[in-house]
Amino acid sequence: AQSVTQLDSQVPVFEEAPVELRCNYSSSVSVYLFWYVQYPNQGLQLLLKYLSGSTLVESINGFEAEFNKSQTSFHLRKPSVHISDTAEYFCAVSEGPGGSYIPTFGRGTSLIVHP
Amino acid sequence: ETGVTQSPTHLIKTRGQQVTLRCSSQSGHNTVSWYQQALGQGPQFIFQYYREEENGRGNFPPRFSGLQFPNYSSELNVNALELDDSALYLCASSLDRGNEQYFGPGTRLTVT
Repeated sequence: AQSVTQLDSQVPVFEEAPVELRCNYSSSVSVYLFWYVQYPNQGLQLLLKYLSGSTLVESINGFEAEFNKSQTSFHLRKPSVHISDTAEYFCAVSEGPGGSYIPTFGRGTSLIVHP
Repeated sequence: ETGVTQSPTHLIKTRGQQVTLRCSSQSGHNTVSWYQQALGQGPQFIFQYYREEENGRGNFPPRFSGLQFPNYSSELNVNALELDDSALYLCASSLDRGNEQYFGPGTRLTVT
């Protein structure tokens, strides 16, 4: 069975500083990887995804994540955060071809950006 | 293009009662997943429907059941409600199995 581990429950950071939110997964088959963001009192929104191809994926608002198959990781990074990035971030994995396609979410990392 | 909608937005039920939550998928999406999100936790997978068939189920008891209709909308039914069922219930649709999911705003269920 697949599982997702988000190593940090909370990450406080000052505005304009870089940030990395860590995500590790375990699965015996090929996977699809996702990061979702949940702003306060809102639903989840897709931030970025890895299905195949380039291992580095980027979002429109400056976040990026790199799929590292050997380390089974999909860490999320941003070189300079804004106050508006304060939110809950969820890493998710779905088994791909040959698997069940069932999604599994991590427990979430709360990113808190201080002025 | 209409997004994923859920109804009702809030619901208060008494322990032992039954509840039905509804979800309309985004247009063209054939896969629907249901999640339970407790306060401060990540979404816990309940089950997924793909083209009206159950495609997988999480670690939830049989009193959690569902349906997907020919128009790919979906229902989540919970029987014999317990206090621990109080949570935000999220529905998400996707173009196909494994693809990125589009979430609805959720239904906040409170069991007293």
